Amino acid sequence: DIVMTQSPDSLAVSLGERATINCKSSQSVLHSSNNKNYLAWYQQKPGQPPKLLIYWASTRKSGVPDRFSGSGSGTDFTLTISNLQAEDVAVYYCQHYYSTVSYTFGQGTKLQIK
Amino acid sequence: EVQLVESGGGLVQPGGSLRLSCAASGFTFNSYWMHWVRQAPGKGLVWVSRINNDGSDSAYADSVKGRFTISRDNAKNTVYLQMNSLRAEDTAVYYCVRDFPSFDPWGQGTLVTVSS
Repeated sequence: DIVMTQSPDSLAVSLGERATINCKSSQSVLHSSNNKNYLAWYQQKPGQPPKLLIYWASTRKSGVPDRFSGSGSGTDFTLTISNLQAEDVAVYYCQHYYSTVSYTFGQGTKLQIK
Repeated sequence: EVQLVESGGGLVQPGGSLRLSCAASGFTFNSYWMHWVRQAPGKGLVWVSRINNDGSDSAYADSVKGRFTISRDNAKNTVYLQMNSLRAEDTAVYYCVRDFPSFDPWGQGTLVTVSS
């Protein structure tokens, strides 16, 4: 199974600043057939289910603010939140969907306001 | 509006069984694969199982293989998770999720507590 490792486990960022969360997969999630990275990012606020933010590693879901961006390819990925807002406090998860018989999430990164 | 509503959670004794249901609406249900994902209290997300659009193929996490069975009724727009031989470590909120092919949207979840 592909193992997803996020860093850091938690971080505190000042309002208006940039937050960066990293995700590393134990093997490439770039599919050669379509040159797409099978990597998604989710946001989970307390007491709520997760919400999809980014898919195909860098495609923002419709309605997600453009301060959220995803980058990376192969095994190394980054979620960047620019101009941090109070409502961005949440736990963020990366996930691969490269395999159709096993789907793995990272352990989560807790984002707080400094 | 795309909506997924889970039901069937509750308190069950170790070794017991429970069947979760997820009612889907707002999209062409029989065109999508579906998943179950769980989250133990205070912990992260763990994929449990998925089923293809016509129900002919499924997959399971090793931790539930042989104990859980996923199924669907496309006439009722519903996906199920039959959980047998439940253990304390199965205690979690269980989410129903549509395959996008990333996971979107998620239901609100239903809590399963395995305890004597």
